Amino acid sequence: ETGVTQTPRHLVMGMTNKKSLKCEQHLGHNAMYWYKQSAKKPLELMFVYSLEERVENNSVPSRFSPECPNSSHLFLHLHTLQPEDSALYLCASSPGAGELFFGEGSRLTVL
Amino acid sequence: SQQGEEDPQALSIQEGENATMNCSYKTSINNLQWYRQNSGRGLVHLILIRSNEREKHSGRLRVTLDTSKKSSSLLITASRAADTASYFCATGRNTGTASKLTFGTGTRLQVTL
Repeated sequence: ETGVTQTPRHLVMGMTNKKSLKCEQHLGHNAMYWYKQSAKKPLELMFVYSLEERVENNSVPSRFSPECPNSSHLFLHLHTLQPEDSALYLCASSPGAGELFFGEGSRLTVL
Repeated sequence: SQQGEEDPQALSIQEGENATMNCSYKTSINNLQWYRQNSGRGLVHLILIRSNEREKHSGRLRVTLDTSKKSSSLLITASRAADTASYFCATGRNTGTASKLTFGTGTRLQVTL
């Protein structure tokens, strides 16, 4: 148990659906992150939030929309995704600079 | 890109043997971190070494960093079957309030009985 909880753990959606991934951290950290992990590719940093402000957006398509309503919660809103967006989406938090604490991930399949 | 490249991509050893994984990167860094991932699970932080450090130990783990060669190595001594996992290096550049890590593709370690 890392103190970072992601829901749902598995999600199957059609290309026209709208869904959201949720991440909650119970560690009192100031920074939260979304990473994408696809088979045979390095983890891709998607978004970084620090003190609830977005500080990094790595050219992620607009069909992915992050939301950070407070320092404990992070969402990734998904709409009109493509099959190539199927991946493991990992949320992480950190107390600032330094090590990241990851959740168990949300396995997304886009049909 | 600061992307780390791990070597080898896969490693199979017997229990009790040592496992060594290497990581190379391209640009200057603040720190380098190693993570472990069991299949289909989240990543777990193992060890962080700062750019001004050369070696660090944590239990059965030993990490070295050579900034002149832009490389690092992770040594797991006396391996156990439970060490079977993928291991990733990540290079860090800090913004002060967040840590932006760039990960490599990982080394898959298989430890057999």
